[in-house]
Amino acid sequence: AQKVTQAQTEISVVEKEDVTLDCVYETRDTTYYLFWYKQPPSGELVFLIRRNSFDEQNEISGRYSWNFQKSTSSFNFTITASQVVDSAVYFCALSEAWGNEKLTFGTGTRLTIIP
Amino acid sequence: ETGVTQSPTHLIKTRGQQVTLRCSSQSGHNTVSWYQQALGQGPQFIFQYYREEENGRGNFPPRFSGLQFPNYSSELNVNALELDDSALYLCASSSRTSGRADEQFFGPGTRLTVL
Repeated sequence: AQKVTQAQTEISVVEKEDVTLDCVYETRDTTYYLFWYKQPPSGELVFLIRRNSFDEQNEISGRYSWNFQKSTSSFNFTITASQVVDSAVYFCALSEAWGNEKLTFGTGTRLTIIP
Repeated sequence: ETGVTQSPTHLIKTRGQQVTLRCSSQSGHNTVSWYQQALGQGPQFIFQYYREEENGRGNFPPRFSGLQFPNYSSELNVNALELDDSALYLCASSSRTSGRADEQFFGPGTRLTVL
């Protein structure tokens, strides 16, 4: 069975600080996908990134970066120079590579950026 | 390009009643997945529809059922509502061409309250 653990329930940082959100996953599949979604107060899940299990290269997109380490089954997300607009709940998710690609989500990390 | 839309936005029902939630997929998408998100939790996969047929189901009882129409829009029906069905119901659409669908894009959700 697949499982995603986000141990940090809530994080608060002062604006412009860097913050890292942790994600640890479990799967028996050799091929899988990892995701991060952002959920602002409006409720809509906003897609941030998808990573294939074969691609362990770290990725940077503006202030966002992702560190995928297969050896520790982790897919951590860092926001650099945080802004108030980054305040939201962030979900890490896992899906199998084939089939119906159902997403298995973690319980989320509520990030609050203090101005 | 029109995103994923859901209706209604909010709904209040009483125990034992039936409810129908609606979802219009993003333009060009042919696959719809439904998720239930209880307060403070990550979304849980209910089922997915592709080519008007159910393509995988999560751990939900048969009173949760769905439909997909030729225009790829979808309905989620819940019979005999229980208090624990109170949640945000999210619809996600994706495009499946061969083998695997692309990443899922979510709608704003329908918040269902069962009294």
